[in-house]
Amino acid sequence: GESVGLHLPTLSVQEGDNSIINCAYSNSASDYFIWYKQESGKGPQFIIDIRSNMDKRQGQRVTVLLNKTVKHLSLQIAATQPGDSAVYFCAENTRGYQKVTFGTGTKLQVIP
Amino acid sequence: GAGVSQSPSNKVTEKGKDVELRCDPISGHTALYWYRQSLGQGLEFLIYFQGNSAPDKSGLPSDRFSAERTGGSVSTLTIQRTQQEDSAVYLCASSKGGSSYNEQFFGPGTRLTVL
Repeated sequence: GESVGLHLPTLSVQEGDNSIINCAYSNSASDYFIWYKQESGKGPQFIIDIRSNMDKRQGQRVTVLLNKTVKHLSLQIAATQPGDSAVYFCAENTRGYQKVTFGTGTKLQVIP
Repeated sequence: GAGVSQSPSNKVTEKGKDVELRCDPISGHTALYWYRQSLGQGLEFLIYFQGNSAPDKSGLPSDRFSAERTGGSVSTLTIQRTQQEDSAVYLCASSKGGSSYNEQFFGPGTRLTVL
């Protein structure tokens, strides 16, 4: 069936470097994408979202890129900090449907 | 302001027992969601409420699982005759509703362990 998945299960990054977390999706009807951060023992926390009519959106130290041609989504974190260590999930849904489909997650480890 | 709260935070039960998990959404949020997260896995959608109605129950794994929401606020997820494979973290989220673009706010989850 349709799914959202991630290329890398674990990513280790030196503090201060930039991080890139990738996500592939297969549902061509998806038109809204969200990145969540989940710290140990906590629920997921919204980071940034993007609609399908955009290919880039920037927040504070984070940028999401969307390539609809190859159904690929990425999250870029600038100047990665120890507090960024967490599991990151991409998620998608389709306009008019409240169900959000989550990927399996990528664990980001920041090396001090 | 207060976020989404869930209780209990941890629940250990014996196989075959029934359990009830509670979710208190953010005040004024009309949409409420239940997810299940197994160890090291992503989130599995279970059910969605808009007000007290559940237009999408497609994620409930079996008829042992049920959920209700009263007064457009508190929701309870009930698992009957629990099995070991039900062990997971059960997460609740709420949103303003009315649009599929509304940000979902998650609670801390209930960790269920079935012995």
